[in-house]
Order: sequence, then structure tokens, then C-alpha cells
Amino acid sequence: ETGVTQTPRHLVMGMTNKKSLKCEQHLGHNAMYWYKQSAKKPLELMFVYNFKEQTENNSVPSRFSPECPNSSHLFLHLHTLQPEDSALYLCASSRGPVGYEQYFGPGTRLTVT
Amino acid sequence: AQTVTQSQPEMSVQEAETVTLSCTYDTSESNYYLFWYKQPPSRQMILVIRQEAYKQQNATENRFSVNFQKAAKSFSLKISDSQLGDTAMYFCAFMKHEAVSGGGADGLTFGKGTHLIIQP
Repeated sequence: ETGVTQTPRHLVMGMTNKKSLKCEQHLGHNAMYWYKQSAKKPLELMFVYNFKEQTENNSVPSRFSPECPNSSHLFLHLHTLQPEDSALYLCASSRGPVGYEQYFGPGTRLTVT
Repeated sequence: AQTVTQSQPEMSVQEAETVTLSCTYDTSESNYYLFWYKQPPSRQMILVIRQEAYKQQNATENRFSVNFQKAAKSFSLKISDSQLGDTAMYFCAFMKHEAVSGGGADGLTFGKGTHLIIQP
């Protein structure tokens, strides 16, 4: 399944580092999403973009900064993270804004040391 | 706000058996969508089945079917003739029919998941 790709697959960073996660979808979708998956917690929606415009920021700390230059690419810029930010970060896309199933990428496993 | 509850943290059945995973949700919306996603050990989230709340007919997809009880706010997943490859985390998810902000997209609200193990 290569419809939604994410790089890198694994990332270890210190609390003072700056890094970026990349997501690319090859499905011609218009909406893209970032989710955080932590152990023993439900997936948490972080950001939503529709036609490159951010439509939802689910009270995410400012140390996470999303960027969506076009409908096919989505980035998550990370800076001064905390150890509790260690998690699997999943990107997803969907055809339209509401009601369409979301297709997920394989995720980036982030460890903050 | 919506909540999704999966009351079975883990289930284990023998290969070829039928298993049912439960999901309940709470919402004040009258129209919405419900999904089941599967996440195998590879961590790739895969859509299993989709149900539109305004459709009374239960969705089916090969060996997977749902029992959607709107009044009870229940959305269980039945897997028939279970296979070893069905071993995975299964997540129930809810999506509103109308976007929160005008013209915007909404995300999914997930339950905590059920770890399903198919034994040989």
C-alpha cells in the first residue's frame, strides 16, 4: 500500500533539536490529517488541512508546527519537544472534507530523548 | 464532543471461529459516519468497513460485517471464518456528517482499540 507515504519511519531526537516529518499522498485527495498515537491512548487528531487550508488545530502545543504547501504534501515541524511527545505520528488523507474514509500512512515512530 | 468506547481491550479466538468486537459511542449528532480500522503489527492503519448512520442496512465487506444499532449507539464488528492474518488492533471510529467549521474537514474520533488474537 503506497497511497500515503511518510518519512522518516523512525526518528530519535533530543529535546533541543529541530526536525520535520513529511507526508505525501498519491491518491488525488484534498484533505490531509496528522494524528498522534501514544501507548494505551486513543489516536488523537492534531491538525486538519482541506485544500491546503488548516481547518482544525486540536489544541496542539506550539512546539508542533504543521505546513501544507499543496494538497499532496504535509509536514510536521518539531522543535523543543518533550519526552512525553514520543509516539507514533500518523498522516492520513481523504477525498473530501466530510464523510470520506481516511487512508493512513505507515507512521513515523518518534522518540524524544 | 463525541466519545467512542471499546470495552474489550483484548480478545482471543481460534482460527475459523466467528468473533464480535463491540463499540459504543456517544453523540448528539443525528447524522454521522462510523468506521472500523485494523492496525496489524506493521502499524499500517487499514480501513475495514464504513457505515453511514442514515442507512439502516448494515454494511458488509466479505468476511466482515457490522451490527449497527443507532438507537443504542452501538456499532459492533463481526469477523466470520477468522484467519491468522486478522490478528491486529481494531479501532472503532466516529466522524461527524457536518464539518465543525464552515467548509472544513473533520477528523476521526477513535476508541482505544481491541487487540484481537487469532490462534492457530
